[in-house]
Amino acid sequence: QLQVVQSGAEVKKPGASVKFSCKASGSTFSGYYVHWVRQAPGQGLEWMGIIKPSGGATSYAQKFQSRLTMTSDSSASTVYMELSSLRSEDTAIYFCARGQFGYSSGPWGQGSLLTVSS
Amino acid sequence: DIQLTQSPSSLSASVGDRITITCRASQGIRNSLAWYQQRPGKAPSLLLFATYTLADGVPARFSGSGSGTDYTLTISNLQPEDFATYYCQQYYSTPGRTFGQGTKVDIK
Repeated sequence: QLQVVQSGAEVKKPGASVKFSCKASGSTFSGYYVHWVRQAPGQGLEWMGIIKPSGGATSYAQKFQSRLTMTSDSSASTVYMELSSLRSEDTAIYFCARGQFGYSSGPWGQGSLLTVSS
Repeated sequence: DIQLTQSPSSLSASVGDRITITCRASQGIRNSLAWYQQRPGKAPSLLLFATYTLADGVPARFSGSGSGTDYTLTISNLQPEDFATYYCQQYYSTPGRTFGQGTKVDIK
């Protein structure tokens, strides 16, 4: 049974970069996509982008095009999401989830909290 | 990007009630709509995709309908575990798979 495990919380200063990992446990992401979604405190969900771990094809929301990079390892068991030029508005919980091309069918990771503060 | 507007933003209901949440898209999305449930402090989970299709393990009291720009999520016989926030998401327009702003369902 696949479980998705995300890396821990991070605190960063404005202008810095952060890189979160998302690991498949019990299986791999092979044959699926991985979506990244974030949620600012008390706010709704915001879709950021998608990666196909087998092959590494990516697609990002236009809002994040210039500062978002998603990668995967060769075994398709771990994907990474790097966000650069951080600002306070990037403070949020970042979720990854296995899915189809269009939607996140799950399972979801537990979320990784990013705090951006000077 | 396609915008999704959910209504209402919040509602209060009782166990056993039937409730409906609406999701309106700024342009037609050809049934490319999913619904998610998020309980406090938890990750979202998929309820339905392609407007009508229940995700694995989702109880039949959840149902979806709609076409064009207007879609609904209906929960019949509301159960205590259904008090949560619900989000619609369109995946007709890529890359941006936008979410609605959410509808919080709480206990009356």
